[in-house]
Amino acid sequence: AQKITQTQPGMFVQEKEAVTLDCTYDTSDQSYGLFWYKQPSSGEMIFLIYQGSYDEQNATEGRYSLNFQKARKSANLVISASQLGDSAMYFCAMRVFNSGGSNYKLTFGKGTLLTVNP
Amino acid sequence: DGGITQSPKYLFRKEGQNVTLSCEQNLNHDAMYWYRQDPGQGLRLIYYSQIVNDFQKGDIAEGYSVSREKKESFPLTVTSAQKNPTAFYLCASSFRQGFIYEQYFGPGTRLTVT
Repeated sequence: AQKITQTQPGMFVQEKEAVTLDCTYDTSDQSYGLFWYKQPSSGEMIFLIYQGSYDEQNATEGRYSLNFQKARKSANLVISASQLGDSAMYFCAMRVFNSGGSNYKLTFGKGTLLTVNP
Repeated sequence: DGGITQSPKYLFRKEGQNVTLSCEQNLNHDAMYWYRQDPGQGLRLIYYSQIVNDFQKGDIAEGYSVSREKKESFPLTVTSAQKNPTAFYLCASSFRQGFIYEQYFGPGTRLTVT
């Protein structure tokens, strides 16, 4: 079974500063993908960034980057130059790719509430 | 515009009544999913469907039912057998092939059962 752990229930950051949101995962599968989603107060889940288990370089998407440390099973999200609009819940999720039929399932962590202060 | 629509945004029902949540997508995605979110929790998978006329149970399927008669539509029925139905329900879709296709989510339906 897969498990995602996000140990920070809440984080605060000053506007324009960088912040790191932690995510550790547990799986026995060798082929998997890690996703980060943002959930504003409106409720919709917004895809931010993806990292594959075989990707050699850390993923980046604009102000978002993923610090992927495979040996430590961590996939931390780094947001640079925080903006007030970044205030939201952030979820880490994992999908494994195997022949067992569960390829389409995303397993989510409990999330981290990020507050950006002006 | 392409996307996923869920209606209604807020839904209120009396205990013992079945209720159906709508989910429609025009992204030409093969796969569709239903998740449940409780306060302070992550999302949990209820049902998913990879192709029309086929669907599989997720982690918390008890008390729920689905149908997939059209590629664009994947309605979820919350039955009276669901012991704690009050929650935020999110529908998602994705392409079926490939590894990295992310799931796109709808705006959600907040169901309150009293």
